[in-house]
This record gives sequence, structure tokens and C-alpha cells, in this order.
Amino acid sequence: GDSVTQMEGPVTLSEEAFLTINCTYTATGYPSLFWYVQYPGEGLQLLLKATKADDKGSNKGFEATYRKETTSFHLEKGSVQVSDSAVYFCALWGGGFKTIFGAGTRLFVKA
Amino acid sequence: GAVVSQHPSWVICKSGTSVKIECRSLDFQATTMFWYRQFPKQSLMLMATSNEGSKATYEQGVEKDKFLINHASLTLSTLTVTSAHPEDSSFYICSARARGLGPHEQFFGPGTRLTVL
Repeated sequence: GDSVTQMEGPVTLSEEAFLTINCTYTATGYPSLFWYVQYPGEGLQLLLKATKADDKGSNKGFEATYRKETTSFHLEKGSVQVSDSAVYFCALWGGGFKTIFGAGTRLFVKA
Repeated sequence: GAVVSQHPSWVICKSGTSVKIECRSLDFQATTMFWYRQFPKQSLMLMATSNEGSKATYEQGVEKDKFLINHASLTLSTLTVTSAHPEDSSFYICSARARGLGPHEQFFGPGTRLTVL
């Protein structure tokens, strides 16, 4: 079945550092790919999405490119802030008509 | 933006008792609601999908008699964990989809942490 694998955390960075959170997927067909963010005490929020190969999703300085050849959707940000501290989930929507989530990666950003 | 609330945010109960968790869409009508379960350091696992006015569709391996889901109105869905046991301790998250949105577009509640003693 469809699955999502993302790097284990926690990831600890200093403010203004470069962020990469790796995400790879297994799916039949052409799924839509997402990154969700969960801030402490809040629900998951959609951060960005890409619906077809080579699409780049971007929002709030975060970017991810849908790479079909490597089945990846890595999340990047050039300069993280303390306020980016949260849990990040990679997810896909595919032929099963439900959202499949990765395990989540916790990010800590130190001032 | 669309807001989904859950109540309670955390609950502790004794083994053998039942616990009800509410999920409400505060500013939109939710034609579909989803219930997820999250174990520590693991991904969200879909438990069931409920459409307003109809019976919930449970994922394989989820006991429908243990996890009762009711979606009685367009703004409220409830999950009742019946005869709870310590292995039911988990983080339960609901999400809701509004009419007219794509199938993958959903808004999440903040979750409810259940601890069964």
C-alpha cells in the first residue's frame, strides 16, 4: 500500500540555519503530496502542497519539490526562525482516497 | 480560516469506562469528518471516515463496536471509546472537510490525549 517515510527527529538548529527534512513516498499512480505543520497545542495545518511531478509548493519561506524520479518531497527553508519550532508531517493523497502521513519530524530552533 | 475544535483536550479514565470525544467545526459545515489515532513518534493512522447522516466507514483493523462514531450534524462528530483499556491510551485527532472542497482538503482539530489507567 501507499506509505510515507520521513526523517526521524528531533532536528535542532540555530536560528537562521538551513533546514532540510527528507520525505520519500511509495504510491501507485500519481499522488498529491503535502507538508503539514503542527505547532504546540494546535491542530495540523497545511503548509504546502504539490499535485504533480516537478511542481514546487511554497509557503512562509518553506519549499518542497515533487520529484517523481526519486519519489521524494523534501522540505527546505533557507533561514529558520524560533517560531518555526513545530512538528512537520509529510503526507500523500493517492489512489486509496485517504491521506497517508509520515511519522512526523520535530524541529527545535534555538535563538 | 476554518477552525476545528476538540473536547476535551485531555482525559484520564479508569479501565472499563467509556469516554466520549467531541469534534466540532466552528465556522463551516463539515460534510465529512475523519478520526485519526497517533501513537508516540508514529504517524497519524486513519480510524474512520464519517459523512453527515450516515454510518461511519472504518479502516481495516479498527473495531467499530469499540470506537463508536456519530456524525449527527454538519458541525459535530463524536468518538466514543467504549470499555476503554490501557492499550487504548493514545492521541486522537479529528479533521473535517467542508462542502465543495477537494477530497484531500481537511482541517484538523488540536487532538485529545486519552490515558486509561
